[in-house]
Amino acid sequence: AQSVTQPDIHITVSEGASLELRCNYSYGATPYLFWYVQSPGQGLQLLLKYFSGDTLVQGIKGFEAEFKRSQSSFNLRKPSVHWSDAAEYFCAVVLTGGGNKLTFGTGTQLKVEL
Amino acid sequence: SQTIHQWPATLVQPVGSPLSLECTVEGTSNPNLYWYRQAAGRGLQLLFYSVGIGQISSEVPQNLSASRPQDRQFILSSKKLLLSDSGFYLCAWSAFGGRGNQPQHFGDGTRLSIL
Repeated sequence: AQSVTQPDIHITVSEGASLELRCNYSYGATPYLFWYVQSPGQGLQLLLKYFSGDTLVQGIKGFEAEFKRSQSSFNLRKPSVHWSDAAEYFCAVVLTGGGNKLTFGTGTQLKVEL
Repeated sequence: SQTIHQWPATLVQPVGSPLSLECTVEGTSNPNLYWYRQAAGRGLQLLFYSVGIGQISSEVPQNLSASRPQDRQFILSSKKLLLSDSGFYLCAWSAFGGRGNQPQHFGDGTRLSIL
């Protein structure tokens, strides 16, 4: 069965520092992968998605992610973090079986120190 | 453009009372619709999804049910709430069809507290 692992529950970075959030997936074929961000008490906003092609995908708010098949990873990066990036980040993979169902990782809570 | 509305934003209910949460989507036709629950400090659990009117798939056995009376309306219900039903409930939609490459778009959620 497909699964997603986000090994870091909490990450703290200083404003202006670079960021990398890890995501590992378990899936037999080429997966469809997503990153979402959730601010406290809000719904999830799509940051970026990977379906095929170029393994480095650009998203909104200056985020990017790189698909690495050999490592089964889809890590999210940002060169310079802003205080407004503090939120919870979720990686997700599409489940087989129709309906565009997603399975989510347990999330990484990002704290930004000023 | 497409928008998704969920209400209420916050709800406090006693144990044993009924529940009805509503979600509507605008600006698209025949969307896939989803209900998720997010417990405190945990990820998202898919509860139900629907690919059309009257077509509901349940992902986990529970005290909840879902209905889709209209194309762009998705309702989450319970006859008798349990303490364990507390959580943050999110509705989402995605474009119909595709091969899994349609991203889901989320509403702002309903915070449900059971007393």
